[in-house]
Amino acid sequence: ELKVEQNPLFLSMQEGKNYTIYCNYSTTSDRLYWYRQDPGKSLESLFVLLSNGAVKQEGRLMASLDTKARLSTLHITAAVHDLSATYFCAVAPYSGGGADGLTFGKGTHLIIQP
Amino acid sequence: GAGVSQSPSNKVTEKGKDVELRCDPISGHTALYWYRQSLGQGLEFLIYFQGNSAPDKSGLPSDRFSAERTGGSVSTLTIQRTQQEDSAVYLCASSLAFQSEQYFGPGTRLTVT
Repeated sequence: ELKVEQNPLFLSMQEGKNYTIYCNYSTTSDRLYWYRQDPGKSLESLFVLLSNGAVKQEGRLMASLDTKARLSTLHITAAVHDLSATYFCAVAPYSGGGADGLTFGKGTHLIIQP
Repeated sequence: GAGVSQSPSNKVTEKGKDVELRCDPISGHTALYWYRQSLGQGLEFLIYFQGNSAPDKSGLPSDRFSAERTGGSVSTLTIQRTQQEDSAVYLCASSLAFQSEQYFGPGTRLTVT
């Protein structure tokens, strides 16, 4: 059974600081996703990581994937208040597996204070 | 273009009643997924469709839950004899093809009283 663990689950940080959210998963996978969710809203896709060593950047966010370590990171650089949200990582079962549903981590509730 | 749409956005129902939730995927997307999000369980995968076929229904929480998809487009998730533990936000997602990026709809918030 695929399990996904995120940490930290809660993070309060000041604007201008850097921080990293970690996502560990338990079984082989070749697709990992990062989503953002604002309160009362649906999930917004941030990054799709498809191979070992993949790194993607968008603005102040950068995501990476190490499939050997079964670890993905979401790094926040010089945080700004607008990045306050809940961030989820989600892992797909290994290609060729039957089901294609994503297994989500519990989410990291990020608060960025001025 | 238009994203995934879901209706109703909110549904309040009495325990024991049946409810139907609807999902309209992005045009041309062949794969469709249902998830639910609750405080206690987080985000859970329920079922997916490739075309009109749902190969694996094991993620549905109980036999009170069923889903169908017609014409390779609209899908409905039906919950019979609703229970309070069914209260959650039900999210639908679609993707262009099997194993590609999933785009989520706004969700239906179901409250069972």
